[in-house]
Amino acid sequence: QKEVEQDPGPLSVPEGAIVSLNCTYSNSAFQYFMWYRQYSRKGPELLMYTYSSGNKEDGRFTAQVDKSSKYISLFIRDSQPSDSATYLCAMSAQGAQKLVFGQGTRLTINP
Amino acid sequence: DTAVSQTPKYLVTQMGNDKSIKCEQNLGHDTMYWYKQDSKKFLKIMFSYNNKELIINETVPNRFSPKSPDKAHLNLHINSLELGDSAVYFCASSQPTGAPLYEQYFGPGTRLTVT
Repeated sequence: QKEVEQDPGPLSVPEGAIVSLNCTYSNSAFQYFMWYRQYSRKGPELLMYTYSSGNKEDGRFTAQVDKSSKYISLFIRDSQPSDSATYLCAMSAQGAQKLVFGQGTRLTINP
Repeated sequence: DTAVSQTPKYLVTQMGNDKSIKCEQNLGHDTMYWYKQDSKKFLKIMFSYNNKELIINETVPNRFSPKSPDKAHLNLHINSLELGDSAVYFCASSQPTGAPLYEQYFGPGTRLTVT
């Protein structure tokens, strides 16, 4: 069983829709929760990170962490075609030397 | 101004050959990584170096040998290439040791195809 599970999709939605991306994890030591965005043929780049439980909002993006359920989510409001990319969740424990990534969900926003 | 750069961007080679990929970062970071991303987009860490010292070696065949001549450079040499080595290899770097690890800066990737 992988430490971090993420539905690989692909997920295709119309422009303007609300998108929900999710990951589950098994390691209760994880404290930092991240979402990376990867455009086609590019390297991943950090979109948002959250420390421990709670919500964090940045423009159209909201990250949620529920440590009791070992479940994290990324919501995208008013989705745009430019949001089309692969979204990877990642996690690390306090003092960790590495990130553990989910498989990535490929998202397409249709105009 | 490129933060993490890799060369080459594409590499096509035959089974059995030896090849190298180079990585450089100009962010002043202490830690650098090599990741392998397979065709299903799964990003798996291979190695990590901190200040030229190997700190992570994730069950990678010993045909893969990383080398860090200084903390701004991390190269990957692969001997006796196999079909299963075909993937995109990403170099990354992160902020100094001791800070919470949440952000890594990735290079553009090297797409390796073994025929």
